[in-house]
This record gives sequence, C-alpha cells and structure tokens, in this order.
Amino acid sequence: GQQLNQSPQSMFIQEGEDVSMNCTSSSIFNTWLWYKQDPGEGPVLLIALYKAGELTSNGRLTAQFGITRKDSFLNISASIPSDVGIYFCAGPPAGGADGLTFGKGTHLIIQP
Amino acid sequence: DVKVTQSSRYLVKRTGEKVFLECVQDMDHENMFWYRQDPGLGLRLIYFSYDVKMKEKGDIPEGYSVSREKKERFSLILESASTNQTSMYLCASTGTGGGNEQFFGPGTRLTVL
Repeated sequence: GQQLNQSPQSMFIQEGEDVSMNCTSSSIFNTWLWYKQDPGEGPVLLIALYKAGELTSNGRLTAQFGITRKDSFLNISASIPSDVGIYFCAGPPAGGADGLTFGKGTHLIIQP
Repeated sequence: DVKVTQSSRYLVKRTGEKVFLECVQDMDHENMFWYRQDPGLGLRLIYFSYDVKMKEKGDIPEGYSVSREKKERFSLILESASTNQTSMYLCASTGTGGGNEQFFGPGTRLTVL
C-alpha cells in the first residue's frame, strides 16, 4: 500500500522552542491531515489541508500542503509542556481506495 | 462535537477466546473504520464500512471480522484471539461529502495472554 515517510521519528526539545516536522510520499495526496495522540488516547485532528500550497494555522500550529502534493509540514511555535505527544500525518492517496494512510509518527518530548 | 466511543479502554483475554470490540458514533456518519496501532508500525487499517451491512477489508484483515448492523455501531470481532493480536485498537468515523477527516475513539488496549 501507500506509505508516508514522517520525520523526525522523535524530537527532544526545550520548552519555548519551535518545532518542525514533515511528511513525504512517493504518491500524490489530495488531502493532508495532521493528528496528535496523547498517551493512552485516540488521535485528535489538529489541521486539515485540501489544496496544494495551502497554509493553515490553528493557534500555535501551522501546516502547509506542499506544491507537489507529495509532502506536508507541521510547525509548532513556542512549545509548551502539553504539546508532548505523538504527531501523525495522514491522508487519502489520490486514486486510492479507502481509509487513510498514516505516517509512523513524530514523538515530541519536551525537556524542562 | 463528533463523539466516537469504544466499549472498553482496557481488555485482557486468553488465547483462543472470541473477542468483541464495540464502537459507536453519534454523528450519523456513513463510514466507519477499525485500525490497530503498534509501536514502530503506526496505524494499520483492518476493516472499514461504508454503510449498514457493508464491509471492506483493509490492509491487515486476517484474523478479524466485523459487523455493522446499525449505522452508528461497528464491531470488530476476533474469532480466536492470539497473542500477536495484542495491540491498541482504534475506531474512527467520517461522513460522506466531507474532507476525509476521520474522528477517532479513545482506543481499546487489548492484551491476549
């Protein structure tokens, strides 16, 4: 099936730092979704992107849909302790069947 | 707000037992999905359903079956649980005509001994 390459796998940062993570695919995606998962919980949708080049913000989070439709990035500005968790990119591949393809996640750890 | 609930947060079963995982959504969504999540493997699609009594295999359907008798409820069945089915199981739903955003339940952590 389709695969999404998400990087980095994990990030150790200091509180207050900015964070950047990205997702790439060998196939075109029509939608890019970014989710956050807290320990022991289900993923929660953060941002949805629908058009190539689109830049969308949600509070301190900003995500962009790459022009080639094969990549997306998520930035978090001025990180705070509650940003800790696993961030997933996901999307339905163009021409693909059903359901979402997920990246393997970026584990964000904030050091005091 | 969309709400997806799962019948159990934690479940412990023995090898060979039949296991039912229930999922209910309250937003009249047509589409429902079951994933399993394992460290290093991410989320993998087991089965999904577009309508009542309709089901489609995902990427890893072996060892599982599903049931959708009512629109709001989608059940995942492990006919004979095995230790390699120990995992976090996540249910999700989405409506048609939307942007493919899936809304997830809190997950069921299943341990098979």
